[in-house]
Amino acid sequence: TQLLEQSPQFLSIQEGENLTVYCNSSSVFSSLQWYRQEPGEGPVLLVTVVTGGEVKKLKRLTFQFGDARKDSSLHITAAQPGDTGLYLCAGAEAGNNRKLIWGLGTSLAVNP
Amino acid sequence: ETGVTQSPTHLIKTRGQQVTLRCSSQSGHNTVSWYQQALGQGPQFIFQYYREEENGRGNFPPRFSGLQFPNYSSELNVNALELDDSALYLCASSLRQVYGYTFGSGTRLTVV
Repeated sequence: TQLLEQSPQFLSIQEGENLTVYCNSSSVFSSLQWYRQEPGEGPVLLVTVVTGGEVKKLKRLTFQFGDARKDSSLHITAAQPGDTGLYLCAGAEAGNNRKLIWGLGTSLAVNP
Repeated sequence: ETGVTQSPTHLIKTRGQQVTLRCSSQSGHNTVSWYQQALGQGPQFIFQYYREEENGRGNFPPRFSGLQFPNYSSELNVNALELDDSALYLCASSLRQVYGYTFGSGTRLTVV
C-alpha cells in the first residue's frame, strides 16, 4: 500500500515567519496535489504538480515536486493568520489514476 | 459555474440502520469520488465513479456502495451502520484527475 508521510503534523508559528511542509513517499506518483481544508469544509485544491523538479508559486506559497516524483514540499513565506488551516497532500498513483493517496495533513496555526 | 453540493449536511443514525448520502458534481465533471474523513485524519478513498461505472475502490467493505447517474450526480449508501462509520463524508468531482478535484463541504454522519 502506498503511503504519503506528511510532516510536521502540527505547526504553530508567529505571523511573519516562514515554514515548510513536507510530503514524502517511497513510491512514484504521476502527479501530486496540495489542498487546504478549513474546519467543517471540504479540501480546496491549491496546486497540482506533474513534472519532476517542477516548482509552482501561488503568491506567498511555493510548491515543489521532487525530481523522482516521490516527494513534494510546500513553503510559505511571511505567514499570515489567514494561512491557518489543515494542509493536505495527495498523490495520484503512477500507472493507475483511479485514486489519490492522501497524507494525514499538517495543521498550521499562525498567531498574530 | 456551480461547485459540488452534498446533502444532507448533518445526519444522526442508529447502529444497524442504512443511510444514503447525495452529491451533485460540478458542471462538466464526469468523475466522482467519495471519501471518509475521521476527525484529525486525512481523507480515506472509498470509491470512484466515471461515467456511471465504478472504476476504483479503496479498502472499504461491500456494505459501502454507490451509484452515479447520467447527469453525473452520485449517491453513497452504507448498510448496517457501525459506530466507527461516524465521520465526515466528502464527495469530490473532477474532469481529469491530474487537474485536481473539487470537493463538497461534506456530510457529517454520527452513528449512535
